[in-house]
Amino acid sequence: DVKVTQSSRYLVKRTGEKVFLECVQDMDHENMFWYRQDPGLGLRLIYFSYDVKMKEKGDIPEGYSVSREKKERFSLILESASTNQTSMYLCASSEGLAGGTGELFFGEGSRLTVL
Amino acid sequence: AQTVTQSQPEMSVQEAETVTLSCTYDTSENNYYLFWYKQPPSRQMILVIRQEAYKQQNATENRFSVNFQKAAKSFSLKISDSQLGDTAMYFCAFMKQSNTGKLIFGQGTTLQVKP
Repeated sequence: DVKVTQSSRYLVKRTGEKVFLECVQDMDHENMFWYRQDPGLGLRLIYFSYDVKMKEKGDIPEGYSVSREKKERFSLILESASTNQTSMYLCASSEGLAGGTGELFFGEGSRLTVL
Repeated sequence: AQTVTQSQPEMSVQEAETVTLSCTYDTSENNYYLFWYKQPPSRQMILVIRQEAYKQQNATENRFSVNFQKAAKSFSLKISDSQLGDTAMYFCAFMKQSNTGKLIFGQGTTLQVKP
């Protein structure tokens, strides 16, 4: 089974703190994604990566950065957390373009609360 | 830009009954994929069903089927013989054929299956 693991299910941070959300996948997928899920808004793409050390902005990248030093790991970084970043964060992976069906495999999510 | 709209925030159905979840989308693309994803309470999001736009035949997966109306840009999900385990949030999603994994999601519909 494909497994996408997010390091923390629940986090509580203070405004201004630096926050790291880690995601690891074990299926050798080329593509990895970070989405944010908010009630009434669905999922919105923050950043994605098609290869190691490669990143592209999604629809809502402001206030976030990412790192992909290894193929299996994709980290989301909040440089200075703010209360409007309180949300559920979902990591996902998928096969590359050549063999891809578009199916995303998701982690369980990381619920972040910023006080 | 593509958009996906789910106009039913919440729905309920009696066990063993049939329910249909609605989804409309807007795009100028001719080749694309449409998806329904299921997010059970506190569990990972998983793919339910996928439809290629070039296929006229509606996709089916066991009790799940879609009604794909390309001209109307409509993509509804029908769940037959509803089961308690179908209780979840359901997301409709769109992907351009060239954008493997970069999905655009609707707002989601929460489905409650009642015993």
